[in-house]
Amino acid sequence: DAGVIQSPRHEVTEMGQEVTLRCKPISGHNSLFWYRQTMMRGLELLIYFNNNVPIDDSGMPEDRFSAKMPNASFSTLKIQPSEPRDSAVYFCASRPTANTEAFFGQGTRLTVV
Amino acid sequence: ILNVEQSPQSLHVQEGDSTNFTCSFPSSNFYALHWYRWETAKSPEALFVMTLNGDEKKKGRISATLNTKEGYSYLYIKGSQPEDSATYLCAQTEGAQKLVFGQGTRLTINP
Repeated sequence: DAGVIQSPRHEVTEMGQEVTLRCKPISGHNSLFWYRQTMMRGLELLIYFNNNVPIDDSGMPEDRFSAKMPNASFSTLKIQPSEPRDSAVYFCASRPTANTEAFFGQGTRLTVV
Repeated sequence: ILNVEQSPQSLHVQEGDSTNFTCSFPSSNFYALHWYRWETAKSPEALFVMTLNGDEKKKGRISATLNTKEGYSYLYIKGSQPEDSATYLCAQTEGAQKLVFGQGTRLTINP
């Protein structure tokens, strides 16, 4: 398996534009997590899914953020409209069960200008 | 304790010295405790996952202990080497689902 795959690796966009980040988890993993890395909060959990179902989105900063997992092999994190303060590295991670390690993608570095 | 907390935030250690740092977590609703190693410009990679009170795990020069009753875990590095420089993250699985991370301890090994 190629591991957790995120795309794009880098994204530069203008304020107000819609941004979509993509994640392909490892096959067979039941849980998928979206994190945002910031200097202030470290790895901040945004939302997670179990068996493609969103379980807890309380970490999503505001309504401009949304996430979907239409099937077991794909998830998206969308920001619309984007703002400069959304600039960060966004990580996706997946794991097979609750007592196993999570595997991280390479991250997407988002810059909103 | 309401969140996963790590201390210290940063640490400078002389090569060859041993060191340790702490992770504190809410003991209620505990399911598993994770340690990850995160090198600059890379992704976090798991070191250990521990579930039982009193668990001790070891990987080479790195080891970890777990106390679920009082809500803490220690990570130990014996004989630090420059390649040990990284941020060490602690995370808790709450309620068998949510994986929440602490802020990390940034370790720098001075040659």
